[in-house]
Amino acid sequence: GENVEQHPSTLSVQEGDSAVIKCTYSDSASNYFPWYKQELGKGPQLIIDIRSNVGEKKDQRIAVTLNKTAKHFSLHITETQPEDSAVYFCAASPTDSWGKLQFGAGTQVVVTP
Amino acid sequence: EAQVTQNPRYLITVTGKKLTVTCSQNMNHEYMSWYRQDPGLGLRQIYYSMNVEVTDKGDVPEGYKVSRKEKRNFPLILESPSPNQTSLYFCASSLSGQGGAFFGQGTRLTVV
Repeated sequence: GENVEQHPSTLSVQEGDSAVIKCTYSDSASNYFPWYKQELGKGPQLIIDIRSNVGEKKDQRIAVTLNKTAKHFSLHITETQPEDSAVYFCAASPTDSWGKLQFGAGTQVVVTP
Repeated sequence: EAQVTQNPRYLITVTGKKLTVTCSQNMNHEYMSWYRQDPGLGLRQIYYSMNVEVTDKGDVPEGYKVSRKEKRNFPLILESPSPNQTSLYFCASSLSGQGGAFFGQGTRLTVV
């Protein structure tokens, strides 16, 4: 089955700097890669996603890149703000297991003013 | 307002006492799923459902049951809870299995 590894587990950045979180996946059949943000005491919230026929997707200050050959994808947050502090999860979904979603272990991001 | 509603939010129970965590969505989504979240392990899928009366196991289904008799509801049943099922549980729904998911607020379960 699919295995998703996420790094780093914690990330501390200065306000205004960029943050990058990387994930690797094992199943070459995976074709959908969402990213979630979880604030304290809340459920995960989808912030951006990418499908395997696209190499990069951007939404304001966040962007996701996908390298299918290397089987890794990354989340980039630019001009970080204190409200970006949260736990971020990557996930992968294989085409042959419709409905299954495999999550990474999460990255605690702390943005210091 | 589009939402996924779980109840209860917090629950403390004793080993072996059957319990049900309810989940309801108001978006007419076909796909619903249950996850458990444990420190350092991320979210692990317990069960998912592609539509009414159609369910399948996720990665950690042991000790859990689900049912999908109506499109909007997807309850999680623990027939005989054990302490290793102490966790934070999330229900999610989406238009399709690969679409973005809406998550509930979570249910923190403690089994003593």
